[in-house]
Amino acid sequence: DIQMTQSPSTLSASVGDRVTITCRASQSISSWLAWYQQKPGKAPHLLIYKASSLQSGVPSRFSGSGSGTEFTLTISSLQPDDFATYYCQQYNSYWTFGQGTKVEIK
Amino acid sequence: QVQLVQSGAEVKKPGASVKVSCKASGYTFTNYLIHWVRQAPGQRLEWMGWVNTGNGNTKYSQKFQGRVTNTRDTSASTAYMELSSLRSEDTAIYYCARLYYFDSSGTFDSWGQGTLVTVSS
Repeated sequence: DIQMTQSPSTLSASVGDRVTITCRASQSISSWLAWYQQKPGKAPHLLIYKASSLQSGVPSRFSGSGSGTEFTLTISSLQPDDFATYYCQQYNSYWTFGQGTKVEIK
Repeated sequence: QVQLVQSGAEVKKPGASVKVSCKASGYTFTNYLIHWVRQAPGQRLEWMGWVNTGNGNTKYSQKFQGRVTNTRDTSASTAYMELSSLRSEDTAIYYCARLYYFDSSGTFDSWGQGTLVTVSS
C-alpha cells in the first residue's frame, strides 16, 4: 500500500496569511494526487486533482504543486471560511489518504 | 446538480451486520463507479471498495475483503454497502463517493453526507 504523510498535523494561522501544507507519498505516484477540505460534520470536498488542477468552483487562492513523492497545497491568503482540515489523497494505486492537517485560528 | 443522499445513523451490536444506502440524483447513475470510504473517530479517511453501477462488478480493499459487500439497484439509482461481523473498531462515519475521471485516472468529485455506524454492546 502507498502511505501518505502530511505535515504539519496542525497549523495555526491568521486571516490573510499564506499557508502551505506538505504531503509525501511512500513511493512515486506521478501526479495522481488530490486535496480535499473537510469541515466538522461534513463530507470531504474536492479542491485540487492531478496535483495542480483546480476543481470547478474552488477559489483561485487554492493551488497545488508537486509530482513524484512530494506535493504541496498552498492557500495564498487565508479566509475565514478556510479554517478546516485538509487531506491529501493518492489515486495512483487504489486510494489512500494522508492523516490530515487541521488549519486553526491563531 | 449531483447529489448523493445516504441512509440514517445505525446502532448495531458486535457481530451484527449493517447495510448503508446511497441514492444518487442529478446524473446518469450507471455511468460512474460508487466508492465507499470510512472515517473512524480521530482517524484518517479509509477506502473500502467500489461497485461498478453499470455491470455490478466490485473491488474491495484487502482489509475488508470477506466482510464487505457492495451492490446497486439501477432502477432506484441507489448503491449499497453491507459490512458484516461488526466490531467496535468499525464505529465510524461511512461515506459513499462518486468516482470521476478527470484524466486516465479518477478521484472523488461528489460525496454523500455520511452515515454514522456505532457498534456497541
